[in-house]
Amino acid sequence: DADVTQTPRNRITKTGKRIMLECSQTKGHDRMYWYRQDPGLGLRLIYYSFDVKDINKGEISDGYSVSRQAQAKFSLSLESAIPNQTALYFCATSPGQGHPGELFFGEGSRLTVL
Amino acid sequence: AQTVTQSQPEMSVQEAETVTLSCTYDTSESDYYLFWYKQPPSRQMILVIRQEAYKQQNATENRFSVNFQKAAKSFSLKISDSQLGDAAMYFCAYRGGSNYKLTFGKGTLLTVNP
Repeated sequence: DADVTQTPRNRITKTGKRIMLECSQTKGHDRMYWYRQDPGLGLRLIYYSFDVKDINKGEISDGYSVSRQAQAKFSLSLESAIPNQTALYFCATSPGQGHPGELFFGEGSRLTVL
Repeated sequence: AQTVTQSQPEMSVQEAETVTLSCTYDTSESDYYLFWYKQPPSRQMILVIRQEAYKQQNATENRFSVNFQKAAKSFSLKISDSQLGDAAMYFCAYRGGSNYKLTFGKGTLLTVNP
């Protein structure tokens, strides 16, 4: 089983619908992240959390919200999806202090908003 | 804010040849980490190599090596003896020493020709 699991892997939805992307990890890492990948733009940070009580906005948080339900779970919500939120979404984790900080990624959730 | 620039949107190489992917970054920090990630068509993000800025020696992982030029803020990836399985999108990423957020470049799509 993957250490970082994202559900769903693929989702097609309509404009205005509420969507939740879920992420769970078995790596025991405190830090969790949501990134968005668009062609030609690389990966951009949406939200990140360094522990259950710590939630921070990334560079493109507008239109998104997150919930850190437990150390191992970090979900991303689109309250009212719009077509320009069509993208590949990645959840990632990293260990705490004293580590170089490389990210461990899930397999991605491809979201299409019609 | 830190920026990461990959100036080559696409590169190609013949199987068994060597190719170098370029990456430059902008930072005012002296302590930081640099990474190269590979994303094959499976879309999984895979760490290829990392470099700690305080280390003068260039990192090497089997056929993958970097040329880290701290003064020039350059971090190129060299792939030797290219294989068909090296075909992927490659992302350069930066992490400052004081935070655990990675900033990614826009990526370079590498094609390996048989």
